[in-house]
Amino acid sequence: TQLLEQSPQFLSIQEGENLTVYCNSSSVFSSLQWYRQEPGEGPVLLVTVVTGGEVKKLKRLTFQFGDARKDSSLHITAAQPGDTGLYLCAGHRYQGAQKLVFGQGTRLTINP
Amino acid sequence: GAGVSQTPSNKVTEKGKYVELRCDPISGHTALYWYRQSLGQGPEFLIYFQGTGAADDSGLPNDRFFAVRPEGSVSTLKIQRTERGDSAVYLCASSQNGGETQYFGPGTRLLVL
Repeated sequence: TQLLEQSPQFLSIQEGENLTVYCNSSSVFSSLQWYRQEPGEGPVLLVTVVTGGEVKKLKRLTFQFGDARKDSSLHITAAQPGDTGLYLCAGHRYQGAQKLVFGQGTRLTINP
Repeated sequence: GAGVSQTPSNKVTEKGKYVELRCDPISGHTALYWYRQSLGQGPEFLIYFQGTGAADDSGLPNDRFFAVRPEGSVSTLKIQRTERGDSAVYLCASSQNGGETQYFGPGTRLLVL
């Protein structure tokens, strides 16, 4: 059983479409992070959200932390082929915790 | 480069053999982490070092797995009597004083035949 459940696990859409990836848990997290991982490389941090209800934007990417700090979403506007990759959510269970708990990932493919 | 480096990038071994995986963290980072990523899954925590000591080894799956960081910099993950189920990508990350941001290396792809 995954502590962080991501959906969908696979998503293939056309360039220019919008999409949302979800990261859900029944547990509270002190912070959640989103990573992107390319083949043959380690995950690269995109954003950290720490406050319930927080919204952060990174160009065409919008990240939201749920009010109860149990879930998060990643929304991509006007997806481009360069957005293709594995997107991982991860969280710290409590402030000061060191180990990251990861979701299983969402493999995103943007077709030209 | 200034990032986390891991060697070897790929390792193929036979069932029952011993392997060592090396991680060079970012210079000055006191915290170092090992994760394991199986095919199609997210990384799973193995062990965390603060300086030379293992502060949390709760993720090590069994006593065949051991990690050291004798001088507080380079770390080695050691796997004895490898099994086919150990096949995975082993990721290392480091952070400054255990801060929020962990920087990951490219991983070592271990295949046990």
